[in-house]
Amino acid sequence: GAGVSQSPSNKVTEKGKDVELRCDPISGHTALYWYRQSLGQGLEFLIYFQGNSAPDKSGLPSDRFSAERTGGSVSTLTIQRTQQEDSAVYLCASSLRNFQGGGKTQYFGPGTRLLVL
Amino acid sequence: AQSVTQPDIHITVSEGASLELRCNYSYGATPYLFWYVQSPGQGLQLLLKYFSGDTLVQGIKGFEAEFKRSQSSFNLRKPSVHWSDAAEYFCAVGFSGYSTLTFGKGTMLLVSP
Repeated sequence: GAGVSQSPSNKVTEKGKDVELRCDPISGHTALYWYRQSLGQGLEFLIYFQGNSAPDKSGLPSDRFSAERTGGSVSTLTIQRTQQEDSAVYLCASSLRNFQGGGKTQYFGPGTRLLVL
Repeated sequence: AQSVTQPDIHITVSEGASLELRCNYSYGATPYLFWYVQSPGQGLQLLLKYFSGDTLVQGIKGFEAEFKRSQSSFNLRKPSVHWSDAAEYFCAVGFSGYSTLTFGKGTMLLVSP
């Protein structure tokens, strides 16, 4: 079946503008995760959804970052008033229902490369 | 808090030579362990995972990894590296009671002819 898809694949924006990044998980995966990967860094966890609710949003770096998920499927990560330090690759992953077992395999999308000028 | 260490930022291996990438984690509980590979401009692809049972696990593309509880390690190995293996490799750890994975900073593998 289809894997995790993300759009756009690349986004260039000007400082101060808002951006929306989209993630479409694998069908049947109720858990969805957003990560940020900056140059030379590992993966930084941002937020986790189980269904439409976000039990863990501890990784969102500031109140400029928000995310929502509707219909238990597609998720949108929104960054308001973008700053140059927001430039990074934003990765989305999905997994089967996560009972906080830590053992659910996450499957990743190709990422959105965001450049803030 | 849990953490994952991949001590080698870059490794260069000759094509056909063996490979070992190191991964250590810190936490007291039994971990769930993963290795992912990321080619340039791509997302992360799962190579293999360990949940329980046999501590030597086989993955795709001829990779294997061994969980050593006494050393808190989960090193990735391949007996003969191919040029197409050049990529960045990430170790990740999950624990019961935590909803997501903790990733290491990655090891970039370069393959020389």
